[in-house]
Amino acid sequence: DQQVKQNSPSLSVQEGRISILNCDYTNSMFDYFLWYKKYPAEGPTFLISISSIKDKNEDGRFTVFLNKSAKHLSLHIVPSQPGDSAVYFCAAANAGGTSYGKLTFGQGTILTVHP
Amino acid sequence: DSGVTQTPKHLITATGQRVTLRCSPRSGDLSVYWYQQSLDQGLQFLIQYYNGEERAKGNILERFSAQQFPDLHSELNLSSLELGDSALYFCASSVDARPQPQHFGDGTRLSIL
Repeated sequence: DQQVKQNSPSLSVQEGRISILNCDYTNSMFDYFLWYKKYPAEGPTFLISISSIKDKNEDGRFTVFLNKSAKHLSLHIVPSQPGDSAVYFCAAANAGGTSYGKLTFGQGTILTVHP
Repeated sequence: DSGVTQTPKHLITATGQRVTLRCSPRSGDLSVYWYQQSLDQGLQFLIQYYNGEERAKGNILERFSAQQFPDLHSELNLSSLELGDSALYFCASSVDARPQPQHFGDGTRLSIL
């Protein structure tokens, strides 16, 4: 049972345009969400997070939006740069439960930004 | 550089063997997590340790075990290895046991022949 889903395996965007990566979750107990970026042969790198008490969090070119009623979050990258080309993972956690720091990850979306 | 160190980077061994993967967390981090990434899969949570004690367990096989030592480094032991255990194994660390950004090492690639 996949509790966090990234339905788009890949996304291709032109440099300077907006990249929108999507993530859906099924577990209503999730209340903390994160996005990670991963380059080949490296570990995932934390990008941005959001708690369920907010619906938007912004950090530079990266903005995460959370729609709790739809159990959906998205990551917007504006403007996109070729260096943003990587695999993007969304992850979720239950801050109030007994699963402590466990993160549940989606399958990842490969973002390619063309010059 | 995340500050999390994993050794070795690559490990090639045969079925039935036993291996140990090592992880040194970021300075100051008390919590260590282990994840497995198989081909075309997302990261699957295995186990979490906080300040030497097991805190949470995922779908970790009985053939796998882990521990966190007093100096906070952690080891993941995989025994009776099967072909399906071939994967990338990531270690991550965070300041404490609560949900928060985790910082990942670059992983150990385990290949079972």
